[in-house]
Formats: sequence, C-alpha cells, structure tokens
Amino acid sequence: QQPVQSPQAVILREGEDAVINCSSSKALYSVHWYRQKHGEAPVFLMILLKGGEQKGHEKISASFNEKKQQSSLYLTASQLSYSGTYFCGTYTNAGKSTFGDGTTLTVKP
Amino acid sequence: NAGVMQNPRHLVRRRGQEARLRCSPMKGHSHVYWYRQLPEEGLKFMVYLQKENIIDESGMPKERFSAEFPKEGPSILRIQQVVRGDSAAYFCASSPDQASANVLTFGAGSRLTVL
Repeated sequence: QQPVQSPQAVILREGEDAVINCSSSKALYSVHWYRQKHGEAPVFLMILLKGGEQKGHEKISASFNEKKQQSSLYLTASQLSYSGTYFCGTYTNAGKSTFGDGTTLTVKP
Repeated sequence: NAGVMQNPRHLVRRRGQEARLRCSPMKGHSHVYWYRQLPEEGLKFMVYLQKENIIDESGMPKERFSAEFPKEGPSILRIQQVVRGDSAAYFCASSPDQASANVLTFGAGSRLTVL
C-alpha cells in the first residue's frame, strides 16, 4: 500500500514556507524523502527512523510521528532551487520502498 | 566514484519490438531496484534483485517484462513486444544491503518512447 501525500501541488513565492504531508495506513518502520527535478533522478534528502524524530537538511526539515503513521516535510524561506517534486517513501522490512505520488513544489521569484 | 549508471538514457522503439535497459549499481552495492515512472506520476516499484537472485518481483507485469542481475555485468530490465503504454521513465536504484534499502541512490533513468 503506497503512502498518501498532500497536497498534490504547491505554488510559493521565494521566502515563503510550505508543508508537505505523508501518511500511511500501515505501520511505518521509517520514512524517507526525495526531491526530483524535472527530467532528473530523484535525490535522497533525509530519512526518519524513530517516532517523533526530526531532521534537517539546509532549510528543509521533517518530522515523523510513528503513532499517527505520518511524516511532514517543512520547507522554510523557500528558494528557487527548492522547486521540484517531493516524494515520501516508506520501507518494509522485506527490502522494498514504496513511494507516494509526489507533491510538486513551484517556487516563483 | 561513479554513481548508479543507466543506459541508454533515451530509447525509441516501435510497437512489438524489444527494449533492454541496463543498470550498473554503485560500487559496493549488490542490491538493485527498478522503478517505473509514467509521465506526471510517481515512482512505482517493479522488482528488487540481488546478484543472481530475484528477491521481490511483485510490481512486475505478469507478461512481457523480465529482469535479471547476473553474477557479472549490469542488471537488465527487458520488455518484450513493447506497447505504447510502456512509454515511461525507468529508474534503477541501488543499496549496499537490504537494511539500507530505505536510502536509495537512483540512476538518471532510461526514458522509453514507444511509437
């Protein structure tokens, strides 16, 4: 069962903040986030392993609530370079990662 | 230190032909995963392989698609008798082991166009 991401798309001005949510109907072992620019490969951003854990990458941070089976990605003071499609992935101990349908973020000057 | 290498980057085939996509994992990685991405859609898991073994092929269509990862050489995703619906980007990812499968390094993808 793939995770569900919301919203599907976000349009921001430079300097604005955004939140992307990822939820699963199954118990989560870990959540990982990737960013994909148009026509390029997805690039790993971060992984969250424990309930309540938060991590950061530049001005991008994420939280993972194991009980609620949810993760959120926070982008603060957005830059033009943040534009792309963000995917959350969930991992099963069978060695397979399943991805959400993605959230397309567009940052305008 | 080369990353995951995929070739060809772009492939055009006519309906009914065969497509072969190749993936060389990162050095030291022995686990390979194939994902398909249709235009404007997400990454759909196809198959997970280790050297000489298919671990999980639950995402592979039952017909026309096959994958292998031989002892020597790259992993190959083979699509026989391609149809227009096979047009997509096919991404390969690798990890050093199963426990690291949630931190994937992706190749640049192979974009298949079926005419």
